[in-house]
Amino acid sequence: DIQMTQSPASLSASLGETVTIECRASEDIYNGLAWYQQKPGKSPQLLIYNANSLHTGVPSRFSGSGSGTQYSLKINSLQSEDVASYFCQQYYDYPPYTFGAGTKLELK
Amino acid sequence: EVQLVESGGGLVQPGRSLKLSCVASGFTFSNYGMNWIRQAPGKGLEWVAYISSGSSYIYYAETVKGRFTISRDNAKNTLYLQMTSLRSEDTALYYCARPDRGGGFDYWGQGVMVTVSS
Repeated sequence: DIQMTQSPASLSASLGETVTIECRASEDIYNGLAWYQQKPGKSPQLLIYNANSLHTGVPSRFSGSGSGTQYSLKINSLQSEDVASYFCQQYYDYPPYTFGAGTKLELK
Repeated sequence: EVQLVESGGGLVQPGRSLKLSCVASGFTFSNYGMNWIRQAPGKGLEWVAYISSGSSYIYYAETVKGRFTISRDNAKNTLYLQMTSLRSEDTALYYCARPDRGGGFDYWGQGVMVTVSS
């Protein structure tokens, strides 16, 4: 199974800041990576697929990059509504689909 | 509008069974494979099971293999998860989720809580 290691586990940032979350796969996943945002008490929402493609309706301040085993999610100009947990997920090699442990983003 | 609505959760004793349902609307259910994904309280996401559009391909996480059964009724636009021999570690919010054509899961239900406790 492919293991996904996500960092940091938690993050505190100020409004307007740029934030980066990392995800490392245990082997090459050839851009088969998605990022999700989950607000408290809500279901996860797809942000990014294929490592760098923005899902429909997602604000352009979100972007994804990376290749091979290393991927990142960047949030430009942090807004209050971005306070949430973020998860990466690989779908290159399944079953099983595997998720990162998550990053909890809070406002400083 | 795509909607996925789960039901059937609750409090159950260890070793007992429970069946979850997920009713889909707003898209052609029979054209999509579907998944169950769970989230223990305060924890991350764990994929549980997948079923292809015509039920030909079925996969399970090792943690539930042999105890859980995923199935679907395309005539009723409904996905199921039959859970047997439940354990405390199965306590979680269970989501049904539709895979996006490009990758990832683009629609999730609101989740249904399963609590396994004596």
